[in-house]
Amino acid sequence: NAGVMQNPRHLVRRRGQEARLRCSPMKGHSHVYWYRQLPEEGLKFMVYLQKENIIDESGMPKERFSAEFPKEGPSILRIQQVVRGDSAAYFCASSSSVSGAAYEQYFGPGTRLTVT
Amino acid sequence: DQQVKQNSPSLSVQEGRISILNCDYTNSMFDYFLWYKKYPAEGPTFLISISSIKDKNEDGRFTVFLNKSAKHLSLHIVPSQPGDSAVYFCAASPSGFQKLVFGTGTRLLVSP
Repeated sequence: NAGVMQNPRHLVRRRGQEARLRCSPMKGHSHVYWYRQLPEEGLKFMVYLQKENIIDESGMPKERFSAEFPKEGPSILRIQQVVRGDSAAYFCASSSSVSGAAYEQYFGPGTRLTVT
Repeated sequence: DQQVKQNSPSLSVQEGRISILNCDYTNSMFDYFLWYKKYPAEGPTFLISISSIKDKNEDGRFTVFLNKSAKHLSLHIVPSQPGDSAVYFCAASPSGFQKLVFGTGTRLLVSP
């Protein structure tokens, strides 16, 4: 009964490097969401994906950030040329496509990105 | 522009008593509301939700109340237990969208 899985749990990158964060949704879930939490703040929505489709990317920064959810394999959040301000906890969530249950999102443990 | 507000950053309650966590929102397009609990270094855990067509939903020790006219919801935990000590986030979903808008959280401490 695996929940949402994220890896790595901790990631350290130097300024200018690339960060790749992976997320595998709960079994049976086809909707994936990415959120970011800065220190002492709530979670902020970034992007909502279904298999091979970006549904809503209204929370994604315009540059350096991208996300995908391929037909096979985990969802990937990619941050190019990281800067110190990208240091945060990144959470992935998934939900079912069943009507009425789609709003109940289940979260993974998060990836804590530190940019040095 | 904070559309979901949790004005109390912290709350302390004794074991066995009621914990009441509050949340206010400004966007009348929100039609689904959720509460999450979060421990340090872990992801949020879904607790309970409520649709805007209801004013109350109960699940065990947890009850959520929604007052649409006041744009206010609350989470009641009865009886409170030390294991309930965590940060509680209120979240809301706009009609037609599946993203969640989170409040900044309330840290609950339940003392024995």
